Amino acid sequence: QKEVEQDPGPLSVPEGAIVSLNCTYSNSAFQYFMWYRQYSRKGPELLMYTYSSGNKEDGRFTAQVDKSSKYISLFIRDSQPSDSATYLCAMGRAGNNRKLIWGLGTSLAVNP
Amino acid sequence: DAGVIQSPRHEVTEMGQEVTLRCKPISGHNSLFWYRQTMMRGLELLIYFNNNVPIDDSGMPEDRFSAKMPNASFSTLKIQPSEPRDSAVYFCASSFRDRGGKDTQYFGPGTRLTVL
Repeated sequence: QKEVEQDPGPLSVPEGAIVSLNCTYSNSAFQYFMWYRQYSRKGPELLMYTYSSGNKEDGRFTAQVDKSSKYISLFIRDSQPSDSATYLCAMGRAGNNRKLIWGLGTSLAVNP
Repeated sequence: DAGVIQSPRHEVTEMGQEVTLRCKPISGHNSLFWYRQTMMRGLELLIYFNNNVPIDDSGMPEDRFSAKMPNASFSTLKIQPSEPRDSAVYFCASSFRDRGGKDTQYFGPGTRLTVL
């Protein structure tokens, strides 16, 4: 079993839809949870960063972490065609270890 | 800042040839990461450096792969000899940990390697 599981999709939604992306994990030592967005033929870029449990909101994006269930989510409200990309979850431990464990990524297409 | 710089952007080579990928991290960042990305395996960490010192190379596939960071502004990933299964996009990322403990990795544009 992989440490981080993420459904690769693809996910196709109409413009304006609410999108829900999810990852599950098995290692309770993870403390930092991130969502990266990767456009085609580009490097990943950080979208949301959450420490421990709870919610974080930034504009149309909301990140949720449920450590008891080992489950994280990214919600996109009022989705736009420009949101079409691959979304990768990543997790890290506290302390000096800088290594992140990555999900496979979910491919999202928002259709106008 | 120009961001993380990688070269070359594309590399096509024949099996058995040596391939060298280069990376210039963002100035001031003290950690550097080399990743490989494929459709089947996603983003895999190959090796990372902290203050120019290799910390974790457990992701390096085999002895054909080597990485160096001679100074804070330059790193190389070398594959010798290259094989078709090495075909992938190779990313370099750099990061620093701020006072709040937040550690953000910034990725370069990647090198698309094709080994024929």
